[in-house]
Amino acid sequence: DTGVSQDPRHKITKRGQNVTFRCDPISEHNRLYWYRQTLGQGPEFLTYFQNEAQLEKSRLLSDRFSAERPKGSFSTLEIQRTEQGDSAMYLCASSHGTLGVRETQYFGPGTRLLVL
Amino acid sequence: QQQVKQSPQSLIVQKGGISIINCAYENTAFDYFPWYQQFPGKGPALLIAIRPDVSEKKEGRFTISFNKSAKQFSLHIMDSQPGDSATYFCAASKAAGNKLTFGGGTRVLVKP
Repeated sequence: DTGVSQDPRHKITKRGQNVTFRCDPISEHNRLYWYRQTLGQGPEFLTYFQNEAQLEKSRLLSDRFSAERPKGSFSTLEIQRTEQGDSAMYLCASSHGTLGVRETQYFGPGTRLLVL
Repeated sequence: QQQVKQSPQSLIVQKGGISIINCAYENTAFDYFPWYQQFPGKGPALLIAIRPDVSEKKEGRFTISFNKSAKQFSLHIMDSQPGDSATYFCAASKAAGNKLTFGGGTRVLVKP
């Protein structure tokens, strides 16, 4: 399968714990996006990488959240000191293109986080 | 602030019928309007997309209609099939960055 993969698919944690999610984009895709989707809602943008550079962060991304994309390949999203309000599906998407050109974003299956 | 508003929230249609989902946007800087289909436990998958220089785009049973002056666009699913039962999201993005702004979603149920 050459699509976007995410790991883990499900994560249950206790409030206050740190969690880290991984996203492997489609090979050679230079752009990588993180979105958050709560139950019954559309995905909300969190952050975006072009290669290894983090170009944009949403105000939804509090200082407890950090994302990296070392070497422009896979990406990790870490949430520190989790809160119950962090419970959501975390979606990763990737695309291939250049600035100013619209291209399809391909989504992974998501990581469902439940904070108890 | 909800920049893309989607309606209805849910829709029931008989097999062979037409499903119509509407979206309205506020930001005139948006210039790309995709529709995504999402099945339970899966990530969204692109169905069809349109740019504001055209008023309609058709791909198979799926058609987007776009009204730039009204800042509205809609998805029509013709000859709806039970396999079309899913949640559909409209979205929009603008030239400065490609982040997608999604509508709230429409859950479509096609009854056999």
